[in-house]
Amino acid sequence: AQKVTQAQTEISVVEKEDVTLDCVYETRDTTYYLFWYKQPPSGELVFLIRRNSFDEQNEISGRYSWNFQKSTSSFNFTITASQVVDSAVYFCALSGGSNYQLIWGAGTKLIIKP
Amino acid sequence: NAGVTQTPKFRVLKTGQSMTLLCAQDMNHEYMYWYRQDPGMGLRLIHYSVGEGTTAKGEVPDGYNVSRLKKQNFLLGLESAAPSQTSVYFCASSRGQGRTDTQYFGPGTRLTVL
Repeated sequence: AQKVTQAQTEISVVEKEDVTLDCVYETRDTTYYLFWYKQPPSGELVFLIRRNSFDEQNEISGRYSWNFQKSTSSFNFTITASQVVDSAVYFCALSGGSNYQLIWGAGTKLIIKP
Repeated sequence: NAGVTQTPKFRVLKTGQSMTLLCAQDMNHEYMYWYRQDPGMGLRLIHYSVGEGTTAKGEVPDGYNVSRLKKQNFLLGLESAAPSQTSVYFCASSRGQGRTDTQYFGPGTRLTVL
């Protein structure tokens, strides 16, 4: 069965600190995709990144970076020099297999204190 | 370009009442989805559609019906609302290049059933 685990329910850091959000997944598929979405207090879901299982290169986008490690089934997300506007719930999701749904983690609530 | 829109944004129902949620997308996407989000959980797929005139059940379809009469619209119906259906409902769409394509979300509808 497919599963996504985000073990960190809530993280609180002071602005400008670096923070890493963990995502561990389970799947028997050889081809799959991993996603990160951000849900700010306003409630909408914002797409951040999509990564396929054949591409293990790390991704960097501004202050955001993602570390995909197939050997440990992890797809972790790091925010460098965090800002108050980064405060949100962050979801990791997995797709693949025989159905069309995304398998979602429970989310990590990130609180950035000024 | 509005992306994915949902109507209404908020709704309060009494047990047994019916209602329809409307989702519209202007990105010419083939696939559309309805999810529900409950506190402390990720999203769960209710129903989805891979094209105009087609619908299929997701993970939690009971108590809901859907229709996709036009490519740009996906309707979610509750025939007899129950308190267990109190949730935030999200619509999403994707281009349709497969089940692994990125899904883009609407702003959500907060439904309360008393």
